[in-house]
Amino acid sequence: DVKVTQSSRYLVKRTGEKVFLECVQDMDHENMFWYRQDPGLGLRLIYFSYDVKMKEKGDIPEGYSVSREKKERFSLILESASTNQTSMYLCASSLSPWGGDSDIQYFGAGTRLSVL
Amino acid sequence: AQKITQTQPGMFVQEKEAVTLDCTYDTSDPSYGLFWYKQPSSGEMIFLIYQGSYDQQNATEGRYSLNFQKARKSANLVISASQLGDSAMYFCAMRAHTGGFKTIFGAGTRLFVKA
Repeated sequence: DVKVTQSSRYLVKRTGEKVFLECVQDMDHENMFWYRQDPGLGLRLIYFSYDVKMKEKGDIPEGYSVSREKKERFSLILESASTNQTSMYLCASSLSPWGGDSDIQYFGAGTRLSVL
Repeated sequence: AQKITQTQPGMFVQEKEAVTLDCTYDTSDPSYGLFWYKQPSSGEMIFLIYQGSYDQQNATEGRYSLNFQKARKSANLVISASQLGDSAMYFCAMRAHTGGFKTIFGAGTRLFVKA
């Protein structure tokens, strides 16, 4: 079974802090994704990566950056956390970009971040 | 533009009965994939079922089946013999080649299974 592990289930941070959310997958997947999920807004893509050291902006990249130094690890960074970044953050991975069922995304358990 | 629409914010179903969750999509790309995910209250998104645009038959996975009507651009999820553990949010999603690497998700339907 594919396993995607997010480092924290719950996180409380102060405004202005630098926050790291870590995600690790164990199935040698090419693609990794970071989403945030807010009530009424659904899942919104923040960033994704289709290869080591490669990254692409999603729909809402402002205030975030990412790092993918190794294939299995994809980190989301909040450079200076703000209260409007309080949300549920979901990491996902998929096998490859070649379509078909290789597009199936496998998700981590999520991190509920509160910025006070 | 690509779009996924789930028009049912909430649904109730009696335990052991079947339920259909609606999903319509919009894309001009002839090659695309459709997905359904389940999100229990714990928060983790769980993959349920996949349908490719060129697949001739409707996908099935255990109690889940996908009613794929290509001309109508609909991809409804059918859950047979509902169980209490099926109570969750359900999301329909699509990835089309013209969308690049992005998968787009619908707003979700919350399903309540009554004992």
